[in-house]
Amino acid sequence: NAGVTQTPKFQVLKTGQSMTLQCAQDMNHNSMYWYRQDPGMGLRLIYYSASEGTTDKGEVPNGYNVSRLNKREFSLRLESAAPSQTSVYFCASSEGQLQYFGPGTRLTVT
Amino acid sequence: AQSVAQPEDQVNVAEGNPLTVKCTYSVSGNPYLFWYVQYPNRGLQFLLKYITGDNLVKGSYGFEAEFNKSQTSFHLKKPSALVSDSALYFCAVRDYRDSSYKLIFGSGTRLLVRP
Repeated sequence: NAGVTQTPKFQVLKTGQSMTLQCAQDMNHNSMYWYRQDPGMGLRLIYYSASEGTTDKGEVPNGYNVSRLNKREFSLRLESAAPSQTSVYFCASSEGQLQYFGPGTRLTVT
Repeated sequence: AQSVAQPEDQVNVAEGNPLTVKCTYSVSGNPYLFWYVQYPNRGLQFLLKYITGDNLVKGSYGFEAEFNKSQTSFHLKKPSALVSDSALYFCAVRDYRDSSYKLIFGSGTRLLVRP
C-alpha cells in the first residue's frame, strides 16, 4: 500500500517549457488535490477534484491545468512554465476529514 | 472565509522542555481543526484533529492540542520535546464549499529542538 505517489521528485525547466506532474493514490479515495508550498506561505490549493470526472479551481489556479484521469490518478500540467512557478508541489487525497499527502515534487523554473 | 494564523515563524526549545506551537482560527460555524507535521524533504503527515468533544486532543508522537473557543486558538503542545520533533508544523481548518472539503493551511511554524 504505497499511499500517494508523485513523479518526478525533482525537475528543472526553462521558462516557456511545459511539463506534467503525475500523482496516483491507491486508497480508493474520491477526492484529490494539488498544492504548492512556498516559504512563509504555507500550502496553497491550486486545483482539486471532488470525485472522478470533476475538477475545480482552488486559490491559485492561474498557469495550471489538471486532469482527473481516473479515480487513482490526478495530474497537474504547466503549459508554459514561468519562474514564479518555482515551488514544491504536493498532491493529496482524502475520504472525509483527513488528507494524505505525497512526498512532493521540487520544481525549479529558470 | 475560514482562516488560520500561525504567529511564529520559528519556535526554539531545549530538549526535555515543554513546547507550544501557536495557532488561532477564524471560522463561521463550528471549527474542524487539524495539525500536520512536515519533516525535511517529506510530505505532510497528520498529527491530530479537533472535531467536537474534549478540548484537549491527543495525537501522534506524544503531541496534544488544546482547543479554546473563547480565544479562538488551537495550540499544539508536548510536555517534553525531543530533537527528532524538529520539523515544520502546519495548522489547518476545514472549509466546506462547492460540495467538497478543502483544508486551509497556516503559513507554518518551524520547530527547532536543541540538544
